[in-house]
Amino acid sequence: TQLLEQSPQFLSIQEGENLTVYCNSSSVFSSLQWYRQEPGEGPVLLVTVVTGGEVKKLKRLTFQFGDARKDSSLHITAAQPGDTGLYLCAVPKGNDMRFGAGTRLTVKP
Amino acid sequence: GAGVSQSPSNKVTEKGKDVELRCDPISGHTALYWYRQSLGQGLEFLIYFQGNSAPDKSGLPSDRFSAERTGGSVSTLTIQRTQQEDSAVYLCASSLWGVGTEAFFGQGTRLTVV
Repeated sequence: TQLLEQSPQFLSIQEGENLTVYCNSSSVFSSLQWYRQEPGEGPVLLVTVVTGGEVKKLKRLTFQFGDARKDSSLHITAAQPGDTGLYLCAVPKGNDMRFGAGTRLTVKP
Repeated sequence: GAGVSQSPSNKVTEKGKDVELRCDPISGHTALYWYRQSLGQGLEFLIYFQGNSAPDKSGLPSDRFSAERTGGSVSTLTIQRTQQEDSAVYLCASSLWGVGTEAFFGQGTRLTVV
């Protein structure tokens, strides 16, 4: 079984729509990170959440860490084509980091 | 350079040959990670180095894979007797202290085994 389950696996929407993607686990984590990866590039960190129930906003992106620190969501308001990419969540496991399989988002103009 | 540098950016090799992939982390970063990403997939953990500690090799898929990190800086991932299923993008990342700190990724090495 995967440590982190991300859903949906694929999402294709029109510019201007809102969307939410999820990162779920049965384990409790001290922190959780969200990364975005564009084609041909390595992932880039968007945010780190550390407190249960925490909400962080980054322009049109809203990140929430679950109260029990087992899951997280990423909400994008008024999506733009520049938001297209692979969204990955990552958590510490032992002394290193493990990633989910990601949500591949396509925003059509 | 300011970022993580990987070389080569692309590598095509024949099945059965050995390949070496190089990663130059950000100067001063104590933690270094290798991941593998198959087409359209997420990141598969391979190996983790932290300072002078013994590396976490738990993600290496077979004994054909090995990695070393010399002088706490440059790392080399070696794949012996390459197979077609080894074809993927190999990503290296470094972070200042390790888990929980931001990981900075290189652009990856795209390995194609023909």
